[in-house]
Amino acid sequence: EVQLVESGGVVVQPGGSLRLSCAASGFTFDDYAMHWVRQAPGKGLEWVSVISWDGGRTYYADSVKGRFTISRDNRKNSLYLQVNSLRAEDTALYYCAKDMGGIVVVATAIDYWGQGTLVTVSS
Amino acid sequence: EIVLTQSPGTLSLSPGERATLSCRASQSVSNSYLAWYQHKPGQAPRLLIYGASSRATGIPDRFSGSGSGTDFTLTVSRLEPEDFTVYYCQQYGSSPYTFGQGTKLEIK
Repeated sequence: EVQLVESGGVVVQPGGSLRLSCAASGFTFDDYAMHWVRQAPGKGLEWVSVISWDGGRTYYADSVKGRFTISRDNRKNSLYLQVNSLRAEDTALYYCAKDMGGIVVVATAIDYWGQGTLVTVSS
Repeated sequence: EIVLTQSPGTLSLSPGERATLSCRASQSVSNSYLAWYQHKPGQAPRLLIYGASSRATGIPDRFSGSGSGTDFTLTVSRLEPEDFTVYYCQQYGSSPYTFGQGTKLEIK
């Protein structure tokens, strides 16, 4: 059974930083690209970032480019999101998600999602 | 960036009726790389359709997807009570891999 468990969400002041983590199990982690998707309170889903199976390719939403960094450790079956220069509009539930494609393409549809970790940016 | 516009914002129907949800892209989605997700409150989103028309594993055949280029449709042929929730489309043809704003399907 595929499981994705996020952690690291906290209340942080504007301008602050934190690192989100996602522990993956139940599938061959290094065969798949991985995503972060977020949902602000009362809003829709917003795609944030994707990383290829080997970490060699990364892509970001314009709203986070230059502030967020996605990474992975295939030895630890873990995905990370380093978030810097946080703003109030970054307040959201952050989902870790598994791409359904294999190593051929960077990103396809998302077939598994975690339950999310909540980041609140407030002074 | 490809902007996806979903319509209607809210759709009011009764169980047993047919639902048609639209997703229009600001430019052509390459290879029909368009997915549909169902999202219930407090739960993780669920993949319904990928590649515009392929059902994901375990998805009932009352859900179907169609379309190409800039116009895509999710159809639910006979609504069940558990289908009343929010639906999103997402394009993965070019980065950033944007979502639509969602359509809420509510009981009439």
